[in-house]
Amino acid sequence: SQQGEEDPQALSIQEGENATMNCSYKTSINNLQWYRQNSGRGLVHLILIRSNEREKHSGRLRVTLDTSKKSSSLLITASRAADTASYFCATDAAGTYKYIFGTGTRLKVLA
Amino acid sequence: GAGVSQSPSNKVTEKGKDVELRCDPISGHTALYWYRQRLGQGLEFLIYFQGNSAPDKSGLPSDRFSAERTGESVSTLTIQRTQQEDSAVYLCASNRYSTDTQYFGPGTRLTVL
Repeated sequence: SQQGEEDPQALSIQEGENATMNCSYKTSINNLQWYRQNSGRGLVHLILIRSNEREKHSGRLRVTLDTSKKSSSLLITASRAADTASYFCATDAAGTYKYIFGTGTRLKVLA
Repeated sequence: GAGVSQSPSNKVTEKGKDVELRCDPISGHTALYWYRQRLGQGLEFLIYFQGNSAPDKSGLPSDRFSAERTGESVSTLTIQRTQQEDSAVYLCASNRYSTDTQYFGPGTRLTVL
C-alpha cells in the first residue's frame, strides 16, 4: 500500500541552523501535504503542494516535490526552539480521497 | 471560527469495557476522518466519512471498532471490549472536500489498563 516515509527519523540542530526533512512515497499522487505535531496531539497543517508544482514557499518553509523520484523535502530555515516538533508528510493516491501519513521526523532545535 | 473538537481529551478504561469517542468537525466540512496514533508512531487511517456515509471502513482494525456520523456533523468512534493494544491517541480531522487540507482536532488519548 502507498506510504509516505520520512527521513531522517530524528534530527537535532542548533537554533539558527536549517533543517531538511525528506519524504518518499510509492504511487502517483494528487497532492502532498506537510504537517507539524507538537506533544503527540493534534496536527497543524503547514503546506500543500500539488502534483504539478515543483516548489512552494511559506514564510521560513520551503517544500519541493519531485514526482519522478516520488519524493518531497521540507526545509525550515533559521530554525527556532519553537520549531521543535514531529513533522509528517501525507500523500493521497491519485483518484482517491485517502491521505496516508508517514511515520514522521522528530526535530529538536536546541537553544 | 471554531476548529475540530474532540471529547473526551483523555480516557482511561479497563480492559473489556466499551468506549465512545466523539468528534465535532468544522461546520460545513463534509468529509471526516478518524486516525489512530500509537506512541511514537505515525497516523494510521481508520475510516472516512463523506456526509453521513462511510465509503471506506478499510482501516478499522477489527469488528470491535465501529463509527457513525450524524448528517454532516458529529461522529462517534466506538471501541467494544477494549484491549490494551487499543491504547493510543485517536485523532479526528475534517475538510470541505476530500482533496482539501485536513484540519485536525486535539485528539483523545485512550489508555486501556
